[in-house]
Amino acid sequence: GDSVTQMEGPVTLSEEAFLTINCTYTATGYPSLFWYVQYPGEGLQLLLKATKADDKGSNKGFEATYRKETTSFHLEKGSVQVSDSAVYFCALSEGGDYKLSFGAGTTVTVRA
Amino acid sequence: EAGVVQSPRYKIIEKKQPVAFWCNPISGHNTLYWYRQNLGQGPELLIRYENEEAVDDSQLPKDRFSAERLKGVDSTLKIQPAELGDSAVYLCASSIWDRASTDTQYFGPGTRLTVL
Repeated sequence: GDSVTQMEGPVTLSEEAFLTINCTYTATGYPSLFWYVQYPGEGLQLLLKATKADDKGSNKGFEATYRKETTSFHLEKGSVQVSDSAVYFCALSEGGDYKLSFGAGTTVTVRA
Repeated sequence: EAGVVQSPRYKIIEKKQPVAFWCNPISGHNTLYWYRQNLGQGPELLIRYENEEAVDDSQLPKDRFSAERLKGVDSTLKIQPAELGDSAVYLCASSIWDRASTDTQYFGPGTRLTVL
């Protein structure tokens, strides 16, 4: 079945450092790919998404590119802030399907 | 625009007791989802509603879990009786979904259940 594997955490960074969180997927078709973020005490929020190969999703300085050849959707940010401290989840849904399959999440802590 | 509302935010119960969670989706969203998130893991779908119809409940443990969405708006998820392994965060999400596209799911803050 469909599955998502993402980089294990926790990840601790200093402010203004470069962040990358690896995510690879297994799917039978052509999935849509998502990154969700969960700030402390809050619900999951959609950070960005990409619906087809080579699409780049971006939001709040974060970017991820849908790479079909490597079945990856790595999340990157060039200069993190303390406010980026959160748990990040990679997820997929098969084209036309509603069911989100999530990775286990990566906890990111940014220190001032 | 108000987001997905869930209550209670926290619940502590003894095992074998019943418990219920309530969700109010974003206005106009016809699709509602209940997920369970175990500690250190990503959410897993329990049940999905399109309007008032449960269109996928294949992952819902029906011996003890039940859900309803009367009138196609609010929804309640119930566990009776609760077991120690039910301790988790229960998330509700909603979306406007049609079969031609995959639309964004908006999540509520969740209910953290602790079963003692």
